[in-house]
Amino acid sequence: GQNIDQPTEMTATEGAIVQINCTYQTSGFNGLFWYQQHAGEAPTFLSYNVLDGLEEKGRFSSFLSRSKGYSYLLLKELQMKDSASYLCAVTDSNYQLIWGAGTKLIIKP
Amino acid sequence: IAGITQAPTSQILAAGRRMTLRCTQDMRHNAMYWYRQDLGLGLRLIHYSNTAGTTGKGEVPDGYSVSRANTDDFPLTLASAVPSQTSVYFCASRLQENTEAFFGQGTRLTVV
Repeated sequence: GQNIDQPTEMTATEGAIVQINCTYQTSGFNGLFWYQQHAGEAPTFLSYNVLDGLEEKGRFSSFLSRSKGYSYLLLKELQMKDSASYLCAVTDSNYQLIWGAGTKLIIKP
Repeated sequence: IAGITQAPTSQILAAGRRMTLRCTQDMRHNAMYWYRQDLGLGLRLIHYSNTAGTTGKGEVPDGYSVSRANTDDFPLTLASAVPSQTSVYFCASRLQENTEAFFGQGTRLTVV
């Protein structure tokens, strides 16, 4: 079966750094996406990795290791508005998106 | 319209009734998707369409049907609603297979 694992919930302090991990076992791999979803809203795209390594975009970075079936999303200089759920999704061999259940990130002042 | 739009935004529906959730995008995206999102379960794919005129079943298709008569519209129909279909429904689209998906604002459906 196909599976994506993320921690259910994480807590971090405003101004700090947090790393959200995602491990996957899928039938094939054609890229990994990270999305942000605020409560009561739709998911919005954050980042995309298809090759190994780090992709940086402002305060957010995403890392991929295809051999380990592993990715992480790194959020720096945390702000209260970063309180949200973060969803990891993998494109499988049929180019279908397989979604993790999401990680709820709570930011404390 | 800018992007992808769903209607209605919320609905309370009596069990046994038929309901169509509407989804329209103006980005000329080829692929469209319907997901349901339940607490703790993440996004689960109901049906998808890779291009106009074709549809496919996702992870949880039972009790739902879709059509894709043109590029822009992808309605989801519940033939006879049941309480277990209470959920938040998201429509999404993307240009092609390995580009990011864009989501509608969601439809919160309660079946009583």
